[in-house]
Amino acid sequence: DTAVSQTPKYLVTQMGNDKSIKCEQNLGHDTMYWYKQDSKKFLKIMFSYNNKELIINETVPNRFSPKSPDKAHLNLHINSLELGDSAVYFCASSQGQGGSPLHFGNGTRLTVT
Amino acid sequence: GENVEQHPSTLSVQEGDSAVIKCTYSDSASNYFPWYKQELGKGPQLIIDIRSNVGEKKDQRIAVTLNKTAKHFSLHITETQPEDSAVYFCAASKYNFNKFYFGSGTKLNVKP
Repeated sequence: DTAVSQTPKYLVTQMGNDKSIKCEQNLGHDTMYWYKQDSKKFLKIMFSYNNKELIINETVPNRFSPKSPDKAHLNLHINSLELGDSAVYFCASSQGQGGSPLHFGNGTRLTVT
Repeated sequence: GENVEQHPSTLSVQEGDSAVIKCTYSDSASNYFPWYKQELGKGPQLIIDIRSNVGEKKDQRIAVTLNKTAKHFSLHITETQPEDSAVYFCAASKYNFNKFYFGSGTKLNVKP
């Protein structure tokens, strides 16, 4: 059973479009995250939710909007896509306390043309 | 905020040799240090972690050392195998905080 699953795995779209990426975890974790990995492999946190509440909101354009309907799901909606949004987006989850590691999904490769 | 630096960016070793990857951190309050392995097309996977009350931890061919005074920690892989080839990331975090700061990654290539 996949612990953290995100869909789709690949997303190719044109500039200006709106797209969503979905994430689900079956680990019973309280905290979920979105990370962006650029072409140089650098991992940068975007958002974090704890029990459906936003707790981390890094300097991310307003075009990016996370939504957590329940603590097992964290979706990412992106409006008006730009070329610079092309990257791999990773969903992750953790217990969120006392030195608990992140568990990552396998990523969504977004290509904006 | 925390700044994590990781070296080297690429590392090429012969199968059977050892590999060492080093990271430094800036925030002395950081107390949890996981290491992740990322294979092509996959998400990072935890391979080992260490907490600040421990100086060294070992799991078969993988070990991590932590020097709190110098604020650096290292990953040691012994008897490397071709399947160890991947990108490795170090990270630093604090208890009761949900934020992880990642190093820039090391691409390890193990030549058969």
